[in-house]
Parts: sequence; C-alpha cells; structure tokens
Amino acid sequence: QVQLVESGGGVVQPGRSLRLSCAASGFTFTTYGFHWVRQAPGKGLDWVAFISDDGSNKYFTASVKGRFSISRDNSKNTVYLQVDSLRTGDTAVYFCARDGGDGFNVFDYWGQGTRVTVSS
Amino acid sequence: EIVMTQSPVTLSVSPGERATLSCRASQSVRYDLAWYQQKPGQAPRLLIYGASTRATGIPARFSGSGSGTEFTLTINSLQSEDFAVYYCQQYKNWPPLTFGGGTKVEI
Repeated sequence: QVQLVESGGGVVQPGRSLRLSCAASGFTFTTYGFHWVRQAPGKGLDWVAFISDDGSNKYFTASVKGRFSISRDNSKNTVYLQVDSLRTGDTAVYFCARDGGDGFNVFDYWGQGTRVTVSS
Repeated sequence: EIVMTQSPVTLSVSPGERATLSCRASQSVRYDLAWYQQKPGQAPRLLIYGASTRATGIPARFSGSGSGTEFTLTINSLQSEDFAVYYCQQYKNWPPLTFGGGTKVEI
C-alpha cells in the first residue's frame, strides 16, 4: 500500500535550517510528483512546494521562495524539503503528499506530517 | 492567485441528516476542484477530484457538484465518522495551489 513517512522536524531558532524528508513506498516512485503542504497550529492547509516526477520542475509558494528548496533522490524513494532562514511564521506541521498525476494536481496520498516549531 | 472561499465556517448537523458545504473560487477553475476531509490529529484525505469524481474508497454518500466558480460537497446521511473539517482546493491555475479556509462539520 502507498505510504509516505515524513521526518526531520523539530524545534529551531529563527534563522536556522532544517531538512525535512519524505520516504515513499508501495508504488513506483519515479512516476509521481510530490508536494509539501503545511498547516500552522489551529489553521487551514497551505501549499508550500512541488517537485515533478523527474525533478525538472519545481514550484514554491511566494512566502518561501529563496528560503526553501525541494529535491528528490530516486535511488532512495525520498523527497526532501530544505528549509532555511526559518521564521516564526513557518511554524507548522509539514505534510508530504503525492501528486495525483495525469493533470490532476491534487494530493491523493498524504504522510502523517512532521512538526516544525520556530521559536527563540 | 485564485482565492477559494468556503461557507459556512461551521455547520451543525445531526447524524443521519444531509450536510451541504459550499466553495467559491475568485475566478473560474472549470472542473479543477478537489475536496478533502481532515479529522483532528490526522492528515487530510482526498474525497473528490474533478469536482465530482470520488477518490478510491470514498463512500457514495459523498458527492461533489459544480463548475466554474461555485461548487458543493454534499454528505448524505451523516455518519459519526464524517464529523470533521472539509477543505476545497483548486488546481486550475497554479502555482500556487490554493485551499479554502475549511468548513467544520460538527454534531
């Protein structure tokens, strides 16, 4: 069955960095794009970033451009979100989600999330 | 950026009743609209895509309708496990992909 498992979250000070990981299993990893979606405490869902199946296309929401980067390692079936210059406003649970594919840019499977807390 | 607006913010329904949730887009998204369900402490789950197509394993009591800028999620005969927060999401014009603010369906 499809599984996405995030890791790498934690408590960090403003300005510091983290690398979030999303390990995928149960499907052909190389044929899917992936997204990161975050949810601040008590708030709604906020799309953060996307990487295409071959890694050639990457998109980011405006508030993280220049601070976050996304990558994938097809040999490890893992997607990464490098989060730099963290701000208190980045505090959230970060979910990895698989892209629906075939033009359906929806989130058809989700991980359980990893929590990032930015605080001095 | 396409802004998605959901109403109501909270919907109080009794088990066995029907719930009707609305989602409005700031410009036409044609049929590129999805719905998700999220329970406390859990990741969201895809319910509907293409405005009206149920995702794998989603019960028939969930149905989606609409096109352009106005969409509806209907939950017939609400079960106890359906009490949750529901989000709509457009994927017509992106980046960014955008969500509505959510509707909480409560008892």
